[in-house]
Amino acid sequence: TQLLEQSPQFLSIQEGENLTVYCNSSSVFSSLQWYRQEPGEGPVLLVTVVTGGEVKKLKRLTFQFGDARKDSSLHITAAQPGDTGLYLCAGGDTGGFKTIFGAGTRLFVKA
Amino acid sequence: EAGVAQSPRYKIIEKRQSVAFWCNPISGHATLYWYQQILGQGPKLLIQFQNNGVVDDSQLPKDRFSAERLKGVDSTLKIQPAKLEDSAVYLCASSRGPARGSTNEKLFFGSGTQLSVL
Repeated sequence: TQLLEQSPQFLSIQEGENLTVYCNSSSVFSSLQWYRQEPGEGPVLLVTVVTGGEVKKLKRLTFQFGDARKDSSLHITAAQPGDTGLYLCAGGDTGGFKTIFGAGTRLFVKA
Repeated sequence: EAGVAQSPRYKIIEKRQSVAFWCNPISGHATLYWYQQILGQGPKLLIQFQNNGVVDDSQLPKDRFSAERLKGVDSTLKIQPAKLEDSAVYLCASSRGPARGSTNEKLFFGSGTQLSVL
């Protein structure tokens, strides 16, 4: 069974600080996705990474896929209160047909 | 384009009662998913349809949960009878089609139905 472990589980920081959250597995994934979920809403896709070592930037967010395609990280620069939410990583199983999710990192950015 | 629609938003029932959730995916999306999200956890896939056929239902507790997708469009998920541990948010998602190659599909989620079983 492929599992995704996310750390930390919870993070509370001040506005303007930088942070990194991690998504790790002992299994190789065909691709990894990052979603953000706000209270009372469904997850919304932020990015998909496919190639080992790939780095993608989305404004203040930087996503990296590990060389071995077993892990990924999300770095946020100068966090803002609007970044508050649950960050979920999701991986495609070896066939790419099923998406499994990690437990998420709950981020709270204080103004 | 309109998003994924789910109803009801909230439901409170007593254990052993029945409950049904409804989902209308984005128009033209071939694949529909039902996920269960227990508080503090990530979404867990219950069932995945491609058009009106089941692709994966390996984690669906089939003794009490059932789902159907008539005519390959909207879908209903039913729990009968409900247990306390079924308290969760039930998320419906859709995507354009089956995953191709090694890249996972972009999932579009509804706002979910929050179920409380007392």
